[in-house]
Amino acid sequence: DSGVTQTPKHLITATGQRVTLRCSPRSGDLSVYWYQQSLDQGLQFLIQYYNGEERAKGNILERFSAQQFPDLHSELNLSSLELGDSALYFCASSVNLGRGPNNEQFFGPGTRLTVL
Amino acid sequence: DAKTTQPPSMDCAEGRAANLPCNHSTISGNEYVYWYRQIHSQGPQYIIHGLKNNETNEMASLIITEDRKSSTLILPHATLRDTAVYYCIVSPIPWGGSEKLVFGKGTKLTVNP
Repeated sequence: DSGVTQTPKHLITATGQRVTLRCSPRSGDLSVYWYQQSLDQGLQFLIQYYNGEERAKGNILERFSAQQFPDLHSELNLSSLELGDSALYFCASSVNLGRGPNNEQFFGPGTRLTVL
Repeated sequence: DAKTTQPPSMDCAEGRAANLPCNHSTISGNEYVYWYRQIHSQGPQYIIHGLKNNETNEMASLIITEDRKSSTLILPHATLRDTAVYYCIVSPIPWGGSEKLVFGKGTKLTVNP
């Protein structure tokens, strides 16, 4: 158990719909990352937040957005869903911005999204 | 794009050492080598990291060549639970920046009884 929690574990929805994935980082971790894992693209970085502020963006679509709240939990919002958005979505957390090498990321169990 | 090259798959007998190679010939001086693994669709798990010296922890050992262009992850006594995809990642020391992880395709290690 990494200490990172994600809800829901599974989500089945239809094309065109909007969903919200939730992540609670490990206690004390200020950075939250979102990754998408699909069969054809592998694990891809989407976005990072640090203490409520966006720090880095990766291959995140405009239909997707995220935020980190004052209690440090984060939500990933996916809208106008398409079949190709079906994937595993992982959240990870780390202690800080990485001012040093010992800043491994701890991953949650993921949310499996199926778009029908 | 991932800056590492790993064999797509490897097999290992239970109880034997598993040696997983990784090439990172374009690694620069400020980049660390990290290893993560993913057991069947679970979240990736950190294993070990190093800069230029060999490293060991309770999970594994990391051997980095002197020129730092390649490394080997060693699981000293592989068990069936070590069956997973192992990812080798190079990442710079994130002084104030993002430390996003760029995953390649990894090596699928199968430990056989």
